[in-house]
Amino acid sequence: GQNIDQPTEMTATEGAIVQINCTYQTSGFNGLFWYQQHAGEAPTFLSYNVLDGLEEKGRFSSFLSRSKGYSYLLLKELQMKDSASYLCAVEDSNYQLIWGAGTKLIIKP
Amino acid sequence: ETGVTQTPRHLVMGMTNKKSLKCEQHLGHNAMYWYKQSAKKPLELMFVYNFKEQTENNSVPSRFSPECPNSSHLFLHLHTLQPEDSALYLCASSQDLGQGANEQYFGPGTRLTVT
Repeated sequence: GQNIDQPTEMTATEGAIVQINCTYQTSGFNGLFWYQQHAGEAPTFLSYNVLDGLEEKGRFSSFLSRSKGYSYLLLKELQMKDSASYLCAVEDSNYQLIWGAGTKLIIKP
Repeated sequence: ETGVTQTPRHLVMGMTNKKSLKCEQHLGHNAMYWYKQSAKKPLELMFVYNFKEQTENNSVPSRFSPECPNSSHLFLHLHTLQPEDSALYLCASSQDLGQGANEQYFGPGTRLTVT
């Protein structure tokens, strides 16, 4: 079967760095996405990785290792507004997105 | 504002009612999606349309009936729902189906409660 695993909840301190991991087992691989979802709002796109390595976009970076079926989202200089759920999704061989349940990130002052 | 709108934002309906959810995208995209989001569960893909044609129906019960009259509009018709159908229903669109970095843009969702 197809499976995406990510931690249910994480807590971090304002100004710090946090890494949210995602492991996957899917039927084929056409890319991995990270989305951010604030409570009561729609998910919004953060990043896309299809090749191994690190993609940096401001305070957010995303890493992919296809051989290990592993990705992480790195958030630097955390701000209170980063409190949200972070969703990992893999595009399978049918170009459908398989979603993880999301990681709720709590930022403390 | 993502360019994808959904109405209504909240809906309470009885199990014998018939209602419809509406989604409209103003992005010129060709693909549209319906998802179900339940608490602490992964997003469940329900239906996919590409150029108005349905390409996927992921074993969704027949009490959910999609309609896509054109590339900008998507409906989800609901009838004789069950309490376990209570969830957030999200509509999304993307430029195309597949083909690389095909990010999806989501609407704000309809919070559905079945009583």
